[in-house]
Amino acid sequence: GENVEQHPSTLSVQEGDSAVIKCTYSDSASNYFPWYKQELGKRPQLIIDIRSNVGEKKDQRIAVTLNKTAKHFSLHITETQPEDSAVYFCAASISSYKLIFGSGTRLLVRP
Amino acid sequence: GAGVSQSPSNKVTEKGKDVELRCDPISGHTALYWYRQSLGQGLEFLIYFQGNSAPDKSGLPSDRFSAERTGGSVSTLTIQRTQQEDSAVYLCASSIQGRGYTFGSGTRLTVV
Repeated sequence: GENVEQHPSTLSVQEGDSAVIKCTYSDSASNYFPWYKQELGKRPQLIIDIRSNVGEKKDQRIAVTLNKTAKHFSLHITETQPEDSAVYFCAASISSYKLIFGSGTRLLVRP
Repeated sequence: GAGVSQSPSNKVTEKGKDVELRCDPISGHTALYWYRQSLGQGLEFLIYFQGNSAPDKSGLPSDRFSAERTGGSVSTLTIQRTQQEDSAVYLCASSIQGRGYTFGSGTRLTVV
């Protein structure tokens, strides 16, 4: 079955710097890759997603890139702000069903 | 409803007792999922419903865990003879095929 690995497990950046979180997946049939943000004690919330027919997608300060050949996808956050501090999860699935999640990255943005 | 509702939000139960966790998905969302999140850990898939049927139960940890969905809407996750290792946050999510999940706030289960 699908396996998703996520790195790093923790990331600390200075406010205004960029943050990059990387994931790899094992099932080449996976075609949907969402990212979720989970603030402390709250539910995970979808922040951006990408499908396998697209190499990059951007939404304001957040971008996701996908390399299907290498089975890698990454989340990029530019101009980080303290409110970006949270745990971020990547996921992969076939046709948006049964998301398999990475283990999460705890991002801390230092003011 | 406007979002995915889960109840109870917190449940403390004694080891060996049965518990039922409820999920009320967004109206019209045909797909419903249960995940488990242990403290500080990732999201572990448990079961997926499409309508009232469960094509994938592969994540249920043992036969003490079961789930059903009725009317293509509300789902109940039942844990029999609870053990301390069952303590976790149980998250429900729903979606329309092809779209990302919307998660509920979860049920925090503590087995003492």
